[in-house]
Amino acid sequence: SSELTQDPAVSVALGQTVRITCQGDSLRSYYASWYQQKPGQAPVLVIYGKNNRPSGIPDRFSGSSSGNTASLTITGAQAEDEADYYCNSRDSSGNHPEVFGGGTKLTVL
Amino acid sequence: EVQLVESGGGLVQPGGSLRLSCAASGFTFSDHYMDWVRQAPGKGLEWVGRTRNKANSYTTEYAASVKGRFTISRDDSKNSLYLQMNSLKTEDTAVYYCARGMRGWSRYYYYYMDVWGKGTTVTVSS
Repeated sequence: SSELTQDPAVSVALGQTVRITCQGDSLRSYYASWYQQKPGQAPVLVIYGKNNRPSGIPDRFSGSSSGNTASLTITGAQAEDEADYYCNSRDSSGNHPEVFGGGTKLTVL
Repeated sequence: EVQLVESGGGLVQPGGSLRLSCAASGFTFSDHYMDWVRQAPGKGLEWVGRTRNKANSYTTEYAASVKGRFTISRDDSKNSLYLQMNSLKTEDTAVYYCARGMRGWSRYYYYYMDVWGKGTTVTVSS
């Protein structure tokens, strides 16, 4: 089982704001990174570190962290943002050096 | 262009072995940590393991689910990463991705995988 917990599914109306969360004890000591994956495609990095976006990622994507929870926020969601989103972090439990959350399926209505 | 291309996937019987390769181009491969991540059909991402760079003694780490069965290696002279998979189980069936690792520090440590290959499919079945 994953040491990072994500809601399995979230929906958002087109143009609205949505927050996808990731909970885990390791997030008190490590920042999460966030990946977007569309069907049949490889994951794409969208947020890393405190709140950094790789080149080419729209600025509607942002990240934050508080306590044991990391969040990915999409401000003004677009149809093309419909995808699975995964958080990832170092694991502090000692069971797995690195771990992914179970993923959140984002539906844009 | 920065690129990773996996190869070596296929159908193998339970208990068998397979070696995956990942060819890197467009960046200084030897500088980077490299990871393997897999995704079983219809499931989420699962981190498999990592090799650090020469400056960090090429040390490796593995997920508990593959430790003792899988071995990650690299050949910096060939810009290549490898995943030797032994004693394969049906639950190892997945798409296997290689990814380039990056590290940073800003109050907390962080690690991220910024370049991914398209993946290679491994099917373990009798």
